[in-house]
Amino acid sequence: GNSVTQMEGPVTLSEEAFLTINCTYTATGYPSLFWYVQYPGEGLQLLLKATKADDKGSNKGFEATYRKETTSFHLEKGSVQVSDSAVYFCALSEVTSGTYKYIFGTGTRLKVLA
Amino acid sequence: DTAVSQTPKYLVTQMGNDKSIKCEQNLGHDTMYWYKQDSKKFLKIMFSYNNKELIINETVPNRFSPKSPDKAHLNLHINSLELGDSAVYFCASSPTRTDTQYFGPGTRLTVL
Repeated sequence: GNSVTQMEGPVTLSEEAFLTINCTYTATGYPSLFWYVQYPGEGLQLLLKATKADDKGSNKGFEATYRKETTSFHLEKGSVQVSDSAVYFCALSEVTSGTYKYIFGTGTRLKVLA
Repeated sequence: DTAVSQTPKYLVTQMGNDKSIKCEQNLGHDTMYWYKQDSKKFLKIMFSYNNKELIINETVPNRFSPKSPDKAHLNLHINSLELGDSAVYFCASSPTRTDTQYFGPGTRLTVL
C-alpha cells in the first residue's frame, strides 16, 4: 500500500544552518509528491511539489528532488531563518486503477534559534 | 479574499452537546476534505467530497456527519461530543483529487 515516512522531530537548528528533513514513500505507481508547511496557529500550505521522477520543486529557498530510485523526496534549505520555524509535512497523491490516494506524513517540527 | 474559510475559529462546549463547523471555498474546486489534527500535529483524513458526492469516509464515529449542500460548502456536524473529540479540525479543497490541497485556518474544538 501507499505510505509516507518522515524523520521524527523536533529538529532544532541555529539560524543560517543547513536543513535536511528526510521523506521516503511507498507507492504502486507514479505519485505526485508534496511538501506542506504549517506555521503556528495556521492551516497547512503548499511549500513545493514535484509530479515526476527527477523533477525538483523549489520555493522560498527550499528544494526537494523526486528520486524514484530511492523513493525519496528530502526537503533541504541552505540557510534557515527563525521565521522557518514550523511543522513540515511530506505528502503523496496517486491514482491507481481508479483508486485515489492522498497521504500525509506525520509531520516534522522545525525550531530555528536566533 | 479568503480562499478557504471556516467558522467558528474556536469552539468550546460541554460533553454531550451537538455542534457544527462550516467550511466554504471560493476557488471553484471540485474536491473538499475534512481533517482532524491532534495535539501532536498528526493529520487524519475524515471525509472527502467530489462534486458533492462522498468519496472518502474513513473510520470515524458515526457521530460525525458531513454535509455538502453545494460544491463550495462542506459542513461537519458532530453529535454527542466527547472529550476525545477535542482537536483542531481543518477543511481543505483541491481542483482534483490528486492536486495541491488548500487548507482553511482551522477550528479548535475544546470539549469540557
